[in-house]
Amino acid sequence: DAKTTQPNSMESNEEEPVHLPCNHSTISGTDYIHWYRQLPSQGPEYVIHGLTSNVNNRMASLAIAEDRKSSTLILHRATLRDAAVYYCILRDVGNAGNMLTFGGGTRLMVKP
Amino acid sequence: KAGVTQTPRYLIKTRGQQVTLSCSPISGHRSVSWYQQTPGQGLQFLFEYFSETQRNKGNFPGRFSGRQFSNSRSEMNVSTLELGDSALYLCASRPGTSGKNNEQFFGPGTRLTVL
Repeated sequence: DAKTTQPNSMESNEEEPVHLPCNHSTISGTDYIHWYRQLPSQGPEYVIHGLTSNVNNRMASLAIAEDRKSSTLILHRATLRDAAVYYCILRDVGNAGNMLTFGGGTRLMVKP
Repeated sequence: KAGVTQTPRYLIKTRGQQVTLSCSPISGHRSVSWYQQTPGQGLQFLFEYFSETQRNKGNFPGRFSGRQFSNSRSEMNVSTLELGDSALYLCASRPGTSGKNNEQFFGPGTRLTVL
């Protein structure tokens, strides 16, 4: 799976939007972009995924650049509970296995 | 529906011992994967099981092994423990192995400390 690059950490104020960037310049046409997050003392949890079009769900939005070399996870109103490490992961559609290749992720700190 | 459960949650062992960790996937899920998380190396894939067969294996020594039972429950074993095996061991399940977008569901992990 191709590699992703994320900032080590970001800060946000509570109830403000947060944009978490991810660069994946070597993405292939069959790579899906997945986001997981890991809250303190918990296992990772799925947030959202997409291929080419922007995606929305109850947790977040995913904005994918037209050339797919970068993407942004958007939390519309950050809460204290959103403080976590956010991982951007590329997963080949041909990879039927369960293996996720985690990078270092972005540690999001939310200030009250 | 109950989530992924892992037992025990915490474990302390000494060097040279062996340890067995257990994972019960979400009901109906047939694929189980194991990950190791350490401060230095982050989250690393260990192996994946589906229908009692190992399908993928990460870059770990042979001291790390696993198995899956007919009810999809899985165990992983680490023999001849080393200090560097101290880590959070996470189990993840998903319904199957086909499909491109299968969300994985992680358990809370087992915190292993090797003294």
